[in-house]
Amino acid sequence: QVQLVQSGSELKKPGASVKVSCKASGYTFSSHTINWVRQAPGQGLEWMGWINTNSENPTYAQGFTGRFVFSLDTSVSTTYLHISSLKAEDTAVYYCARWGDYGGADYWGQGTLVTVSS
Amino acid sequence: DIQMTQSPSSLSASVGDRVTITCRASQDINKYLSWYQQKPGKAPELLIYGASNLETGVPSRFSGSGSGTDYTFTISSLQPEDIATYYCQQYDTLCTFGQGTRLEIK
Repeated sequence: QVQLVQSGSELKKPGASVKVSCKASGYTFSSHTINWVRQAPGQGLEWMGWINTNSENPTYAQGFTGRFVFSLDTSVSTTYLHISSLKAEDTAVYYCARWGDYGGADYWGQGTLVTVSS
Repeated sequence: DIQMTQSPSSLSASVGDRVTITCRASQDINKYLSWYQQKPGKAPELLIYGASNLETGVPSRFSGSGSGTDYTFTISSLQPEDIATYYCQQYDTLCTFGQGTRLEIK
């Protein structure tokens, strides 16, 4: 069965960096784009962008350029979200999600809570 | 960027009621619209893709319709387990989520 398993919660200080992982299983990794979605506490969903797992080409939404980097390691079917120069407003749950064959994100990771606090 | 305006932001309804949520796009999105359900503390789940296509395994009381800039999500008969926040998402040009609709039982 298709699964996306994300790394555990992180507590970081402002200015630090964090790397969140998303390991895929149960399907051909290179056949589906992986999306990243942010959800700040008590807020709605924000689409951050996606990475083409075939070409390794990332696309970033407005507001998620510069400090946010998507990467992947196809040898272990894993996608990464790297956030640098963390700010308190980066505190959120970050989700990875597989883009389905017909549209929409059909499988989601369980979410990774990143807390930025001094 | 395409903006998605979702309404209402919250909704209270009784079990068995018909519930409707709307999303309006800032430009034609050619039916490239999905609807998601998110329960507290859980990841979102895909319900509808392509504006009106039901994802496998989703109960038939959920449906979607619309075209151009205006789209509708309907629960034909509200069940207690439908209590959640619902989001639309356009994917015609990159992706954008609506602001969400929190659905409560009256």
